[in-house]
Amino acid sequence: QKEVEQDPGPLSVPEGAIVSLNCTYSNSAFQYFMWYRQYSRKGPELLMYTYSSGNKEDGRFTAQVDKSSKYISLFIRDSQPSDSATYLCAMSYNQAGTALIFGKGTTLSVSS
Amino acid sequence: EAGVAQSPRYKIIEKRQSVAFWCNPISGHATLYWYQQILGQGPKLLIQFQNNGVVDDSQLPKDRFSAERLKGVDSTLKIQPAKLEDSAVYLCASRGTSGTYEQYFGPGTRLTVT
Repeated sequence: QKEVEQDPGPLSVPEGAIVSLNCTYSNSAFQYFMWYRQYSRKGPELLMYTYSSGNKEDGRFTAQVDKSSKYISLFIRDSQPSDSATYLCAMSYNQAGTALIFGKGTTLSVSS
Repeated sequence: EAGVAQSPRYKIIEKRQSVAFWCNPISGHATLYWYQQILGQGPKLLIQFQNNGVVDDSQLPKDRFSAERLKGVDSTLKIQPAKLEDSAVYLCASRGTSGTYEQYFGPGTRLTVT
């Protein structure tokens, strides 16, 4: 069993839809949870960062962490064609610079 | 603030040849990472440097891969000899001083081994 599982999709939605992206993980030692967005031929860029359980909102994006279920989610409201990218969940054990453990990424396509 | 720079952007080589990738992190960033991203997969750590010392190289195939970070700034990742399964994007990332968590990624070098 991989440490981090993520459905690769692809996921296609119309503009304005609500998008839900999810990851599950097996190691309860993970404390820091991130979502990265990766456009084609580019490096990943940090989108959302959450420590431990709870919700965090930033504009159209909401990140949720449920440590009891080992499940994290990213919601995108009012999706736009510019949101078309691969979304990678990532986790780490601490904030001290430990390398990230990534999921496979989910490819999202938003059509206008 | 300038981002993480990597070169070359693309490289095609034949198996058993050698190749080297270069990374220039964000100025002042002490921590530098090399990740390998195979098509359809998430990035996987190869090696982590803190200044010019190695913190974690447990997933680096040391029989063919090597990396160095001279003077705690630029870094070079080398593969010798390359195998077909080394075809991937090699991402460099850097992170600032303690207390910050964000890793900033470069655009990557896309390697194709034929």
